[in-house]
Amino acid sequence: KQEVTQIPAALSVPEGENLVLNCSFTDSAIYNLQWFRQDPGKGLTSLLLIQSSQREQTSGRLNASLDKSSGRSTLYIAASQPGDSATYLCAVLNQAGTALIFGKGTTLSVSS
Amino acid sequence: EAQVTQNPRYLITVTGKKLTVTCSQNMNHEYMSWYRQDPGLGLRQIYYSMNVEVTDKGDVPEGYKVSRKEKRNFPLILESPSPNQTSLYFCASSLMALPNEKLFFGSGTQLSVL
Repeated sequence: KQEVTQIPAALSVPEGENLVLNCSFTDSAIYNLQWFRQDPGKGLTSLLLIQSSQREQTSGRLNASLDKSSGRSTLYIAASQPGDSATYLCAVLNQAGTALIFGKGTTLSVSS
Repeated sequence: EAQVTQNPRYLITVTGKKLTVTCSQNMNHEYMSWYRQDPGLGLRQIYYSMNVEVTDKGDVPEGYKVSRKEKRNFPLILESPSPNQTSLYFCASSLMALPNEKLFFGSGTQLSVL
């Protein structure tokens, strides 16, 4: 059964720092991997989607990489800002292709 | 504006009183799904629908029902709610089947069953 783990569970950094969030999954036979952002009291927003054939995706200050063979993905946030404070979740598609399996998230706090 | 709309945002009810949480999307999406989010357990899928009149169970379907009579709507029904169904619920949709699509989420419904 696919399991997704995110480390660390929480992270606090000063504004301007570059940071890396980690995600690992137990079954390397995935279709794709998505990174989401969740703000308190709000839903999830999809940030980046990496297909299994891809190595990375970039959007603005965000870069996500995927290493299927090792079961790992990283989300790199450059020049962090207080507005980046949120919970970041990674998710992989289950083998049936019908549901995302989510990690428990990393809660990021960026102080000004 | 393209969005997934859930109602209500907050709901407090008592054990056994039937309730419905509505979900509607205006993006002509084929796929819709319900998740619940619990502390320490993360997000888990309840039900999903690949198209109109096609629904199937996710990982935690017990105590829930869904219907997909129209493409845009996917209500979640709790026939006899129990306290263990107290949770934050999310509806989500995507244009086509998941392997190639991003998932769009509603803002969530916080349900408390007393």
